[in-house]
Amino acid sequence: GQQVMQIPQYQHVQEGEDFTTYCNSSTTLSNIQWYKQRPGGHPVFLIQLVKSGEVKKQKRLTFQFGEAKKNSSLHITATQTTDVGTYFCAGLLAGGGADGLTFGKGTHLIIQP
Amino acid sequence: ETGVTQTPRHLVMGMTNKKSLKCEQHLGHNAMYWYKQSAKKPLELMFVYNFKEQTENNSVPSRFSPECPNSSHLFLHLHTLQPEDSALYLCASSRGLAEITDTQYFGPGTRLTVL
Repeated sequence: GQQVMQIPQYQHVQEGEDFTTYCNSSTTLSNIQWYKQRPGGHPVFLIQLVKSGEVKKQKRLTFQFGEAKKNSSLHITATQTTDVGTYFCAGLLAGGGADGLTFGKGTHLIIQP
Repeated sequence: ETGVTQTPRHLVMGMTNKKSLKCEQHLGHNAMYWYKQSAKKPLELMFVYNFKEQTENNSVPSRFSPECPNSSHLFLHLHTLQPEDSALYLCASSRGLAEITDTQYFGPGTRLTVL
């Protein structure tokens, strides 16, 4: 079945450092979504990427969708303590309908002041 | 608040109990989902309903029984659960099902502990 791998599983950074999480799919995706889950909270939608090679920015966050639509990344510039949480990618299989997304395991971002 | 509510927020039950989880969305959406989030696994899709009809059942054991009486409400009935079923159960809704999936809005989840 479709797999969505996400690395790293954990990332410790000093406040102010950059952070990147990577998402790779075994099959071509129709789109990919990113979610953030704060400790004790529930996943909150961040963004959706649809086009091959697409790049979108939200303030300090930069999202990329690979040319082959099999991988994606989320990059945070100059992390702040409010960025703490788990970042999930979720992919939709191309041509496979839309009954649901396949989520990666998430990357836990830990920030040291 | 995302417009998706879940009750109860926490539930502790024995293996012989029967309980139900409730989800309600106030967004006018047509699709609703149940997910299971365990500590060591990716978020797992369990069930999908579109216009009250079940469209997806991802090989979920029969001890989990969903019910969708209308587009705004979704239940997950639990009976004779196992300790490994302890997890966070998330409900989500979206505008509908389409080739390009609409954004899913998640509820706060029910933290289930099976003793």
